Amino acid sequence: GQNIDQPTEMTATEGAIVQINCTYQTSGFNGLFWYQQHAGEAPTFLSYNVLDGLEEKGRFSSFLSRSKGYSYLLLKELQMKDSASYLCAVGYGGATNKLIFGTGTLLAVQP
Amino acid sequence: GAGVSQSPRYKVAKRGQDVALRCDPISGHVSLFWYQQALGQGPEFLTYFQNEAQLDKSGLPSDRFFAERPEGSVSTLKIQRTQQEDSAVYLCASSSKTGFSYEQYFGPGTRLTVT
Repeated sequence: GQNIDQPTEMTATEGAIVQINCTYQTSGFNGLFWYQQHAGEAPTFLSYNVLDGLEEKGRFSSFLSRSKGYSYLLLKELQMKDSASYLCAVGYGGATNKLIFGTGTLLAVQP
Repeated sequence: GAGVSQSPRYKVAKRGQDVALRCDPISGHVSLFWYQQALGQGPEFLTYFQNEAQLDKSGLPSDRFFAERPEGSVSTLKIQRTQQEDSAVYLCASSSKTGFSYEQYFGPGTRLTVT
């Protein structure tokens, strides 16, 4: 079966660093995606990992370990606008690359 | 530039009614996906088009759900005889190419409420 786990909620302080973990067990694997979704809005792409290791993009970094079925999203220098749901998704299905999502981690950034 | 657009943004239907949800992908995007997102959950895959061909419809929950993309651009998701469990946000996403290394761009979704 397909299973993606991530924490339901997290709280962090403005200016701090937060790490959102994601573990997955899927029948196929084309890559690991992270999306940000503000309430009532479309998910927006943050990062993509297909090889093991760390990908850095400004204040956001994402890590992947395929052997452990594990990824994390690291957000640095947190801002109030980072309060949102963060969705971990695995691409699978060969060329289709449909995404299977976790339930999302609702991050609240406090002053 | 224009992103993915969807219409209507909100739809209220009485149980048993048919609804049609429209998606305008980014111009030139080959791949188009439909997802269903229940409250507090992540999106769930419904169906996939490559140009006008529906290559994967494994996520459609029942034969009441039907999708088309006749000219390889605009797509319509139709739900017949709506039920309360169909209440959700329906998201459309498009991607510039096929294959697994390309991000999907999502539209704002249509929130369907079945009463």
